[in-house]
Amino acid sequence: DSGVTQTPKHLITATGQRVTLRCSPRSGDLSVYWYQQSLDQGLQFLIQYYNGEERAKGNILERFSAQQFPDLHSELNLSSLELGDSALYFCAPTPADTQYFGPGTRLTVL
Amino acid sequence: AQSVTQLGSHVSVSEGALVLLRCNYSSSVPPYLFWYVQYPNQGLQLLLKYTTGATLVKGINGFEAEFKKSETSFHLTKPSAHMSDAAEYFCAVSPMNRDDKIIFGKGTRLHILP
Repeated sequence: DSGVTQTPKHLITATGQRVTLRCSPRSGDLSVYWYQQSLDQGLQFLIQYYNGEERAKGNILERFSAQQFPDLHSELNLSSLELGDSALYFCAPTPADTQYFGPGTRLTVL
Repeated sequence: AQSVTQLGSHVSVSEGALVLLRCNYSSSVPPYLFWYVQYPNQGLQLLLKYTTGATLVKGINGFEAEFKKSETSFHLTKPSAHMSDAAEYFCAVSPMNRDDKIIFGKGTRLHILP
């Protein structure tokens, strides 16, 4: 158990829909990183938040957005979903603590 | 900028044989280096990581990796493969001492032959 939790574990939805993925960090984790793992793109960095502020952006689509709340949990919002958005989405704290990757949310878009 | 190259998207070894998964990296600053394993339909599990100090890093499940700065390599080895080692392995890099993202390689799927 990494101490980082992600909900839901699995999500099945239809094209055009909007979903929210949630990440609850370990106590004291100020940073959260979101990654996407897809068959086409492999594992790639999406976005980073630090203490509520966006810190860095990777290959994140404009249809995607994220937030980090005062209690430091984070949400990744995916809208106007397409088939290609089907992937495993991970959150993780700072790289120095990467043994604490969350278990991921598997999103299937039908 | 940083990047990771894993040589071989698929590697097959016989049970009991040496496992060698190759990883080369590029980094403009001293790197953290990682190996992760992913079993089917599961998340990422950290096998080992190099931060500073000893260049031979021992990880879980009998794996180890050696950081060779001159060769910009961080190859993963295990002396004797088990059937349970069949999985996908990812090498990754991140700049040391900076709160920055991890860059992953494309992964190597390890097949264990009976």
